[in-house]
Amino acid sequence: GQNIDQPTEMTATEGAIVQINCTYQTSGFNGLFWYQQHAGEAPTFLSYNVLDGLEEKGRFSSFLSRSKGYSYLLLKELQMKDSASYLCAVMDSNYQLIWGAGTKLIIKP
Amino acid sequence: ETGVTQTPRHLVMGMTNKKSLKCEQHLGHNAMYWYKQSAKKPLELMFVYSLEERVENNSVPSRFSPECPNSSHLFLHLHTLQPEDSALYLCASSQEVYNSYEQYFGPGTRLTVT
Repeated sequence: GQNIDQPTEMTATEGAIVQINCTYQTSGFNGLFWYQQHAGEAPTFLSYNVLDGLEEKGRFSSFLSRSKGYSYLLLKELQMKDSASYLCAVMDSNYQLIWGAGTKLIIKP
Repeated sequence: ETGVTQTPRHLVMGMTNKKSLKCEQHLGHNAMYWYKQSAKKPLELMFVYSLEERVENNSVPSRFSPECPNSSHLFLHLHTLQPEDSALYLCASSQEVYNSYEQYFGPGTRLTVT
């Protein structure tokens, strides 16, 4: 079966760095997405990786290793507004998105 | 106008009621999606439409009935629901289906079935 694993919850301190991991087993691979979802709001797109390596976008970076079935989202200089759930999703060979259950990130002052 | 809108934002209905959820996208996209989001569970894809034609139906009970009258509007008709159907229902759109385009989500309808 297809499976996406990510930690249920993480806690970090304002101003610090946090890495949210995602491992996947899917039927084929057409890219990996990260979305941010604040409580009671819509998920919003953060990043897309289809080739191995690191994609940097401001304070957020996303890394992909296809051979290991592994990705991480790195958040630097954490701010209180970064408190949210972070969803990892993989697009399989049929271009269907397979979603993880999300990682709830709690930022403490 | 924000990209994807959904109404109502909150809905409480009894098991014998009939109600409809509405989604509208203002992005000129050709693909629209219905998802179910339950607490601490992955998003569940329910239906996919491409240019008003249903292209995916992921074993969803018949008490959920989608309708896509045009590429900008999507409805989810609900009847005789069960308490376990209580969840956040999200609508999304993307430029095309069967491609690696990002999906844009609406704010969702929080549904409670009593």
